[in-house]
Amino acid sequence: GAGVSQSPRYKVAKRGQDVALRCDPISGHVSLFWYQQALGQGPEFLTYFQNEAQLDKSGLPSDRFFAERPEGSVSTLKIQRTQQEDSAVYLCASRPYAADRGYEQYFGPGTRLTVT
Amino acid sequence: GQQVMQIPQYQHVQEGEDFTTYCNSSTTLSNIQWYKQRPGGHPVFLIQLVKSGEVKKQKRLTFQFGEAKKNSSLHITATQTTDVGTYFCATRDSWGKLQFGAGTQVVVTP
Repeated sequence: GAGVSQSPRYKVAKRGQDVALRCDPISGHVSLFWYQQALGQGPEFLTYFQNEAQLDKSGLPSDRFFAERPEGSVSTLKIQRTQQEDSAVYLCASRPYAADRGYEQYFGPGTRLTVT
Repeated sequence: GQQVMQIPQYQHVQEGEDFTTYCNSSTTLSNIQWYKQRPGGHPVFLIQLVKSGEVKKQKRLTFQFGEAKKNSSLHITATQTTDVGTYFCATRDSWGKLQFGAGTQVVVTP
């Protein structure tokens, strides 16, 4: 079956522009996560959705970052007034269940954002 | 900051050799997961360990969780070029949120 998909795969933005990154999780997956991966580092947690509810946004680096999942399926991560330090790969992951049931996360291919 | 530290950061291995990468924490972990990320790819789940002293094998890969649940290791035998990539350990909270280490980048020379 289809895995997690993300679009666009690559995005170049000029400093100060707004960007929107899309994640299509595996159909029926309840939990959705966004991570930010800087070059040469491990992914860092940004935010977590259970269905349409954003239960944890503690990893969002600033109020320029906003995420939503209005119908409990597709999610969008929006970055306003992009800065050079926002350059990274943004990974989306989903899993079938809510809390501590099952443990494997399925990652999408990521969106590589470059801010010039 | 990252709760789990990985060593080494880089590992150059001759094809056919064995190597081990380590994941350490200053606190007791409830679980440890291992992921592999190929160059240009995304993390792919390999395994989860939850019990003290647990050992799991996947073909040439052996995963171990320390007795004190503060460290874990991944041992690969007879390394192949397909083993190239970065190996991450991560710990998961009850919601599934992962906290990753910085990874061990593995380069295999034929």
